[in-house]
Amino acid sequence: DAKTTQPNSMESNEEEPVHLPCNHSTISGTDYIHWYRQLPSQGPEYVIHGLTSNVNNRMASLAIAEDRKSSTLILHRATLRDAAVYYCILRDRNNAGNMLTFGGGTRLMVKP
Amino acid sequence: GAGVSQSPRYKVAKRGQDVALRCDPISGHVSLFWYQQALGQGPEFLTYFQNEAQLDKSGLPSDRFFAERPEGSVSTLKIQRTQQEDSAVYLCASSLADSYNEQFFGPGTRLTVL
Repeated sequence: DAKTTQPNSMESNEEEPVHLPCNHSTISGTDYIHWYRQLPSQGPEYVIHGLTSNVNNRMASLAIAEDRKSSTLILHRATLRDAAVYYCILRDRNNAGNMLTFGGGTRLMVKP
Repeated sequence: GAGVSQSPRYKVAKRGQDVALRCDPISGHVSLFWYQQALGQGPEFLTYFQNEAQLDKSGLPSDRFFAERPEGSVSTLKIQRTQQEDSAVYLCASSLADSYNEQFFGPGTRLTVL
């Protein structure tokens, strides 16, 4: 799987938007961009995924660059419960059963 | 509905002991994954099952690690002759067949080897 690069940590104020960046310059045409997050003492949980177009769901939005070499996870109003490690992961759409390859992720701290 | 459950949640073992970690996936989920997460790092893949077939075990770090899923539902990860470097959180995840959309993770088992 292609590699992703994320900042080690970010800080945000409560109720403000948060933009978490991810670089994936070697992404292939069949790679989906997935985001998972891991709250303290829990297993990771799925947040969102996309291929080319921007995506929205109840948890977040995913903005994908036109050349697909980077993406941004957007939390519209951060809450204290959003404090977690956020992982950006590429998954090959042609390999439905493949594992997730986690990097170091971005630790998001939310200040009240 | 019920999510993925793992037991025990915490396990302390003396070096050299054998341990068995259990995973109960979401009912009907065909795919099951085991991951190992060292302190301060992201999870790393260990092995993958589709039903009872172990299709990928490339991430198992040594022949002391063994996983099984005999009836295609519950899975057990066994570690023989545990070493201190085996101390980690072991995560289990399940997903629907042919689904690259989402893996559902359990809370993990924290293994400490003394």
